[in-house]
Amino acid sequence: AQSVTQLGSHVSVSEGALVLLRCNYSSSVPPYLFWYVQYPNQGLQLLLKYTSAATLVKGINGFEAEFKKSETSFHLTKPSAHMSDAAEYFCAVTTGGYQKVTFGTGTKLQVIP
Amino acid sequence: GAVVSQHPSRVICKSGTSVKIECRSLDFQATTMFWYRQFPKQSLMLMATSNEGSKATYEQGVEKDKFLINHASLTLSTLTVTSAHPEDSSFYICSAREGQGYGYTFGSGTRLTVV
Repeated sequence: AQSVTQLGSHVSVSEGALVLLRCNYSSSVPPYLFWYVQYPNQGLQLLLKYTSAATLVKGINGFEAEFKKSETSFHLTKPSAHMSDAAEYFCAVTTGGYQKVTFGTGTKLQVIP
Repeated sequence: GAVVSQHPSRVICKSGTSVKIECRSLDFQATTMFWYRQFPKQSLMLMATSNEGSKATYEQGVEKDKFLINHASLTLSTLTVTSAHPEDSSFYICSAREGQGYGYTFGSGTRLTVV
């Protein structure tokens, strides 16, 4: 079985401040992890993914995430928030092959000017 | 990059009618397609997984006779909501994957409103 837990359904940061969105996973086998962003009334866009290569993964729009096996975490960060980062972010996990993807409950990021 | 086109983006239908949603992979062959439903302010719930040329595999609790999924070709999957009711109103999103890779590409979603 696999699951992800996103701590904090809402996160507010000031423009220019550090963004930290938390994700912890549970998986009985080595996981593959993803972060997606969703803007209102739109589909999901892949920000970055971890597929057992480098543990520090860099994605689009200045986001990055670090896979920490000891902490079963895959937190998403961005050094300086921009107004355009306001959206909902989903962490997701799969165990590869033809396994399905399981999504977290999402974190809505608000950026305060 | 990989693109998945989903149509329509919005649809309003009368209760009791059927609605078809299309999901197309534009520049790759989608061996597997996934259909999700997203309730307001909630995460995505996987409804079913379909592989080209075979019957869809539905998740527990999803009515297969109500949500008909067809994956007749490597670039097209359709979801038909039959005899729609107001409680079927939701945001439906498809996702396509090529082979066993981890590149899941999502469509832009369809907002279904049943009145």
